[in-house]
Amino acid sequence: DADVTQTPRNRITKTGKRIMLECSQTKGHDRMYWYRQDPGLGLQLIYYSFDVKDINKGEISDGYSVSRQAQAKFSLSLESAIPNQTALYFCATAQGGIGELFFGEGSRLTVL
Amino acid sequence: AQSVTQLDSQVPVFEEAPVELRCNYSSSVSVYLFWYVQYPNQGLQLLLKYLSGSTLVESINGFEAEFNKSQTSFHLRKPSVHISDTAEYFCAVSASGAGGTSYGKLTFGQGTILTVHP
Repeated sequence: DADVTQTPRNRITKTGKRIMLECSQTKGHDRMYWYRQDPGLGLQLIYYSFDVKDINKGEISDGYSVSRQAQAKFSLSLESAIPNQTALYFCATAQGGIGELFFGEGSRLTVL
Repeated sequence: AQSVTQLDSQVPVFEEAPVELRCNYSSSVSVYLFWYVQYPNQGLQLLLKYLSGSTLVESINGFEAEFNKSQTSFHLRKPSVHISDTAEYFCAVSASGAGGTSYGKLTFGQGTILTVHP
């Protein structure tokens, strides 16, 4: 089993729908991150959490929200999806502050 | 804050040829540097990292990168590539000092697609 698991792996939805992407980890790491990948733009940080009670906005948090339900679970929500949120979303974990990240396999979201 | 620029969006090369993927960074504080690789339909995997010490770091599959502080670069090289090296490569940076708004966050470059032809 993967150390960082994302569900769903693929999702097609319509404009205005609420979407939740879930991430769970078995690595025991304290830090969790959500990134968005668009072709030619690399990865952009949406939200990150250094522990259960700590949630921080990243570079592109508008239109997104997160919930850290437990040390091992970190969910990303799109309250009202729009087409330009079509992208590949990655969850990642880290232990400590070095910045070495461990990634899930990604969730591909298409908003029509 | 940090920023990363990967100077080539695509690098085509023939099998067994050498390759260099270029990465420059900008930061007002000391940094840790990383190269990640993304194979098709997969997540990112750490390829190698520079934290401190020797400025030349190596991966288990023959890649190496050299930290050049004066030129703020961390170029990735391999003397002889294989078909299986075809992937997208990302350079990334994080602040090495504890505290501050950038601590523990990784900033990525735009990615370089390496295509190895037979």
